[in-house]
Amino acid sequence: QVLLQESGPGLVKPSQTLSLTCTVSGASVSSGDYYWTWIRQPPGKDLEWIGYIYRSGNTQYNPSLKSRLTFSLDTSKNQFSLNLRSVTAADTAVYYCARRYLVAAALDSWGQGTRVTVSS
Amino acid sequence: DVQMTQSPSSLSASIGDRVTITCRSSQSIYKFLNWYQQKPGKAPKLLIYTASTLQSGVPSRFSGSGSGTDFTLTINSLQPEDFATYFCQQSNSIPYSFGQGTKLEIK
Repeated sequence: QVLLQESGPGLVKPSQTLSLTCTVSGASVSSGDYYWTWIRQPPGKDLEWIGYIYRSGNTQYNPSLKSRLTFSLDTSKNQFSLNLRSVTAADTAVYYCARRYLVAAALDSWGQGTRVTVSS
Repeated sequence: DVQMTQSPSSLSASIGDRVTITCRSSQSIYKFLNWYQQKPGKAPKLLIYTASTLQSGVPSRFSGSGSGTDFTLTINSLQPEDFATYFCQQSNSIPYSFGQGTKLEIK
């Protein structure tokens, strides 16, 4: 059974960097079958795809966030991470990590989500 | 960007009913449409991918259809555990956008 678990601070100050980590168990982030993905849902709004990272380190970012985003992969810890710079209140959301299965082109496993509030 | 419009936004139904949820994309996404179920406080769960393929372990009362811009999720013979929020997602072009969700409630 694949499990993904998000971790990180629940409160971030405006203009600072939001850093989240997703720890994967039951699967390897080195697998060539998956893209490791971040999604978020601001309060009262739709889910928003943030982007993904592949085992090679290749990334795809949502163009609306690209200038502030960096993803990374730590194969030794079986984790992947998100850094979002210069946050504002608009970045307040529940953040999910998920696994996109290449063959299905779908997110077949998700974390439960972590709530992040941007506030001073 | 591809816009996904899901309807209805909420739906009341009874155990044993058949319900249909629709999702429309602003441009053709071929068959790259996925359906998910989410219950409060839980991780979303993949139900259907590429419009009509049932994810392993998902009951056969769930089915999906459509291609191009119009898609449907049908749940036959609603069970108590089916009351949840459902949302669609297109996986044809980046950014992979989501519908706004349909909350299925017990009548």
